[in-house]
Amino acid sequence: GAGVSQSPSNKVTEKGKDVELRCDPISGHTALYWYRQSLGQGLEFLIYFQGNSAPDKSGLPSDRFSAERTGGSVSTLTIQRTQQEDSAVYLCALGRGTNTEAFFGQGTRLTVV
Amino acid sequence: GDSVTQMEGPVTLSEEAFLTINCTYTATGYPSLFWYVQYPGEGLQLLLKATKADDKGSNKGFEATYRKETTSFHLEKGSVQVSDSAVYFCALKNSGNTPLVFGKGTRLSVIA
Repeated sequence: GAGVSQSPSNKVTEKGKDVELRCDPISGHTALYWYRQSLGQGLEFLIYFQGNSAPDKSGLPSDRFSAERTGGSVSTLTIQRTQQEDSAVYLCALGRGTNTEAFFGQGTRLTVV
Repeated sequence: GDSVTQMEGPVTLSEEAFLTINCTYTATGYPSLFWYVQYPGEGLQLLLKATKADDKGSNKGFEATYRKETTSFHLEKGSVQVSDSAVYFCALKNSGNTPLVFGKGTRLSVIA
């Protein structure tokens, strides 16, 4: 929704492999979030980028997870040495300003086998 | 830190029943408050929002009023429909470099 494109839409990977998930936002959105949602569960915050400020990485579950946002636009979330518990839908969301709502993409469904 | 607490589900109602989903928050300052909805098999959508105390957000027959004195933002609908079956998330966003904070979600099932 609202111009948030995530790729791939589905990813199946073998345990131990690295994966890279991508979020392509439309311009003008200074805030970018990554969340994940396990089956039937709520939203787990992962990382937040706001403009040129240092990202809030407080939600990353382990050092296997990292994310970057290049040039204030495209963001990639990388999971190294994937584990089965990493299986979830990974959601990217965009916002304008510092006190406004965020609009979510359709997510990437990651399955680690 | 900021947090959101919402009533646990699942909530099951008959069609045309009155709906209330409670949401309370803890935050410094003056956050904006939101309700998001996730229909089966779909992504999260913004349902309504309120940006300051006493504001009422409304959309699709749903309403929520920002109550600073009780730090609440309860979601209400006068007459639910089967098509309202979904998971509802309460959220807040504080000013500054802070993330959007979500409650755990409440699953609503409406039966005909």
